[in-house]
Amino acid sequence: KAGVTQTPRYLIKTRGQQVTLSCSPISGHRSVSWYQQTPGQGLQFLFEYFSETQRNKGNFPGRFSGRQFSNSRSEMNVSTLELGDSALYLCASSLAPGGYGYTFGSGTRLTVV
Amino acid sequence: AQKVTQAQTEISVVEKEDVTLDCVYETRDTTYYLFWYKQPPSGELVFLIRRNSFDEQNEISGRYSWNFQKSTSSFNFTITASQVVDSAVYFCALLSNFNKFYFGSGTKLNVKP
Repeated sequence: KAGVTQTPRYLIKTRGQQVTLSCSPISGHRSVSWYQQTPGQGLQFLFEYFSETQRNKGNFPGRFSGRQFSNSRSEMNVSTLELGDSALYLCASSLAPGGYGYTFGSGTRLTVV
Repeated sequence: AQKVTQAQTEISVVEKEDVTLDCVYETRDTTYYLFWYKQPPSGELVFLIRRNSFDEQNEISGRYSWNFQKSTSSFNFTITASQVVDSAVYFCALLSNFNKFYFGSGTKLNVKP
């Protein structure tokens, strides 16, 4: 079966712009989580969506937002990009809480210049 | 507070050597899950193992084995007879009751031929 699909794979944006990243979960998975990975901070939890509702949020500024659609696909938006937002953004989907079947996508590498 | 510590930043071994990656965690939850993920250069996090807090049995899967000890809050990972293909960054992670992952900073394993 298809895995978690993240698009685009690579992205270059200019400081001050906004960006939208997409994540399509494994078929049947209703929970989608987002993570930011940087060399300095490592892997950090951004937020989790389940049935179109944000259930959990990490410690990130309001410039980071997300949503989930009725087909469980999720988008993450970052407004007013800063150089420090350059990172690998990973999405993971799961069937149920407890990390069962928790599967990560290949990520979107965002570079802010 | 939830925290995962991987004290080994980078390890280099020669092929066929055994290597152990250390993981120490902190949590006040009584129910939690521990994971190991492998991240090759492509970026995708590859699931290796999931352990719940009530199952302290050690596990062996081929050349991989895991030692979970609640008394020392450790969940160590051993690769026996390492191979070049094992070269990657390995992450230990803790999943809390709120379905939020806490990742360690990762251990980069270099296996030389």
